[in-house]
Amino acid sequence: EIVLTQSPGTLSLSPGERATLSCRASQSVSRRYLAWYQKKPGQAPRLLIYGASSRATGIPDRFSGSGSGTDFTLTISRLEPEDSAVYSCQQYDNSPWTFGQGTKVEIK
Amino acid sequence: EVQLVQSGAEVKKPGESLKISCKGSGYSFTTYWIGWVRQMPGKGLQWMGIIYPGDSDTKYSPSFRGQVTISADKSISTAYLQWSSLKASDTAMYYCARPQSSGSFDAFDFWGQGTMVTVSS
Repeated sequence: EIVLTQSPGTLSLSPGERATLSCRASQSVSRRYLAWYQKKPGQAPRLLIYGASSRATGIPDRFSGSGSGTDFTLTISRLEPEDSAVYSCQQYDNSPWTFGQGTKVEIK
Repeated sequence: EVQLVQSGAEVKKPGESLKISCKGSGYSFTTYWIGWVRQMPGKGLQWMGIIYPGDSDTKYSPSFRGQVTISADKSISTAYLQWSSLKASDTAMYYCARPQSSGSFDAFDFWGQGTMVTVSS
């Protein structure tokens, strides 16, 4: 089973700042089958990024993904107040598909 | 419009059985996998398993194999998650979700609204 470890646990930033979230896999995610989701309280998760770097439909271009192998990054270039949420990575390369434990982004 | 509509919140006692549902519409139900994801209170997302309604091929996370059963009835475009004997630790929000691409593993782009299951004596 591929274990995904996200860091930091919590990120507290001001509007307009850049957020960099990390997702490290215990083994290579060989086909870059890595996704990022945004989760707000009371809402279902929302797909942001798939294939490590492709934005899902309707996702603003301030969200970007990068990385390969075992190291992946989600960057939010200019934080907006509505970006306050928990962000989770997921690999769908090998069964069982697994999620990271999440990074909470707080907007000051 | 693609929709996944889940059954309503449940309150159960330990030891009781439960089956929750996820009805798909707006797409070809039999050609997309449907997955189940758990979120325990204050915790992250956990992938439980996935089913292909076309032939009922099912894959489970080792953490959930033997603890739950995933099934689907393609005649009514509905997937199910069931427990034979609930525990307090099953208290969580459960989501169904559909991958982007038909017939293949992919990121989940459509999600149900979630079903809250509370198990308490």
